[in-house]
Amino acid sequence: DIQMTQSPSTLSASIGDRVTITCRASQSISSWLAWYQQKPGKAPKLLIYKASSSETGIPSRFSGSGSGTEFTLTISSLQPDDFATYYCQQYSSSPLTFGGGTKVEIK
Amino acid sequence: QVQLQESGPGLVKPSETLSLSCTVSGGSISSYYWSWIRQSPGKGLEWIGYMFYSGSTNYNPSLKSRVSMSIDTSKNQFSLNLSSVTAADTAVYYCARTALGRALIDYWGQGTLVTVSS
Repeated sequence: DIQMTQSPSTLSASIGDRVTITCRASQSISSWLAWYQQKPGKAPKLLIYKASSSETGIPSRFSGSGSGTEFTLTISSLQPDDFATYYCQQYSSSPLTFGGGTKVEIK
Repeated sequence: QVQLQESGPGLVKPSETLSLSCTVSGGSISSYYWSWIRQSPGKGLEWIGYMFYSGSTNYNPSLKSRVSMSIDTSKNQFSLNLSSVTAADTAVYYCARTALGRALIDYWGQGTLVTVSS
């Protein structure tokens, strides 16, 4: 199985901050990586697919980059609605696997 | 826009079979894979498997011996059975739409909590 490792596990930030979350794969997954946002009691919501493509309707402050084994999700200017947990997920090969999550908290 | 809704018992006894259904609205069940994913505090998000309307399946090897999935195209519904459950199977279970080819999970149901307890 491909292991997905996210860092940090928790991040404290203020409104307007630039936030970066890292995801590393245990082997190359090319660009087959998705990012999801999850709020308490809700299902994950797709933000980014194929490492850097934004899902329809996602604010432009969210961007993704990377390929191979190292990936980044950036929120350019943190907004109140962005406090949530973020997960990366590889869909390069089966079984599909997720990172452990990064919780973005209010500083 | 596609919507997915899970249904099934919220409480299952140890050693019994967990059975859930997912009803798809706003789109055809014939054009995508359909996944089950679960989330527990101890193991995070875990993909259980997916199936296609034709009946082909792809299960996570970690659960393969206990999982079966089925699909009813006439009802736009698909189902999950997980046998011989233990407390470790307690989780929120999600159904989700999954793209053909590269299995991108794009739409999720709201999730349903299943507790395994006597």
